[in-house]
Parts: sequence; C-alpha cells; structure tokens
Amino acid sequence: GAGVSQSPSNKVTEKGKDVELRCDPISGHTALYWYRQSLGQGLEFLIYFQGNSAPDKSGLPSDRFSAERTGGSVSTLTIQRTQQEDSAVYLCASSSGATNTGELFFGEGSRLTVL
Amino acid sequence: AQSVTQPDIHITVSEGASLELRCNYSYGATPYLFWYVQSPGQGLQLLLKYFSGDTLVQGIKGFEAEFKRSQSSFNLRKPSVHWSDAAEYFCAVGPQGGNKLTFGTGTQLKVEL
Repeated sequence: GAGVSQSPSNKVTEKGKDVELRCDPISGHTALYWYRQSLGQGLEFLIYFQGNSAPDKSGLPSDRFSAERTGGSVSTLTIQRTQQEDSAVYLCASSSGATNTGELFFGEGSRLTVL
Repeated sequence: AQSVTQPDIHITVSEGASLELRCNYSYGATPYLFWYVQSPGQGLQLLLKYFSGDTLVQGIKGFEAEFKRSQSSFNLRKPSVHWSDAAEYFCAVGPQGGNKLTFGTGTQLKVEL
C-alpha cells in the first residue's frame, strides 16, 4: 500500500481480555517495528522484525505480549489478559531494511484503552 | 545503552518567531540522528536526519538541525514558525548500519497567533 496501515484505530476493551492489533507495512519493506506511545513517555520500542523473524524482541514488557509476522508482510501484536497499564497508542513502522537509511515510516497507530 | 533527552516538555512561541528545540543524546559511537514530527491524530513524519558529513542538515518544512559532537546535541531550529507547525516533535538516535531507533519523550510545540 501507499503507507503503513494499522487497525483498529481505536480499541476499548475490558481488563483481562485479549486484543490483537494489526499492521500492514509499506509494500516491499522488509523491516517492521512496533512501538508503544504512552502519555509523557515518548515512544517505547517493543519488537523488530526482519522478514518473518524477530531478531530483537527486547522491548516486549511481559510474556503477555507477543507478535508475529507472516509472509514478510502483515504483523499482528497480541496482548493477552490486558491490564490498565497496557493502555497506550501502539505504533507500527516499516523500513526498506537497507542499513544506510534509517528512516522509519509510521502508521497512525492503534489507540488501546483498557477499562 | 543509547538514550535521548528532550528537556523541554512544552514550548510556546508566537507565529513568526524563531524556534529551537533541544535534543541531547547518549551513544557510544557516532550515531544516526533524526527528528520526527507528530501532528494530532497522525503518525510520525520524518523532518530530517543526520548520518555523516555536514553537521548542519536541512529538512522539510523549513527546519534544520545541527549536530554538535562535543555537546552530544542535535537541536532543531526554524527561523520563523508558522501556526501549522504546532505539533509534537521527537528526537531519535539509532546505530550506524541499523534501524532500531531510540526516541526522546517529545516536545509539544504550541504556536500563538
């Protein structure tokens, strides 16, 4: 697609429920990133995919968080047994994977509210 | 570990005034440096980036930034701010040869008419 697409744009859920957030990167981009943006906290790195593998998942805050990427394209971030502290905007970004550009292209984010 | 500090959480300037947003980084080698802007309800958009060479880099929308190695800084500047520049600005640092970026906490810019 023309840009990075994320869905849903807004999700309200009850504490303890599971949620899935989807990211469709720019066509041809091999690298994909998930960040979390909380109020006053900036952007927190969660996980990085190169193709379908995740060489860096160091930012996942707990084992309730997982992510996968299939076909070198779409990625899903899953949060199990959601907690109120999971409320944030989850941003996905993609890049061409070339090591000399560094530019990430961001989607508009999925705002998660856990009641 | 790499880190980025944006000491100003909020800044208010009058339209037409000059602007400087501060960014300090901590990194063991020469980093890649970036400024992104996030308008309300929008994703982040790249304003400019520094990889090497000339330490004064020009970006979109009339923004520029200067890399000062001795001060570990990469401050963003604009000579004359427009009302449409009101947004949140993020400084980021990344490793050479890599793409994982570490972001600062952002500076919210308000422009008074």
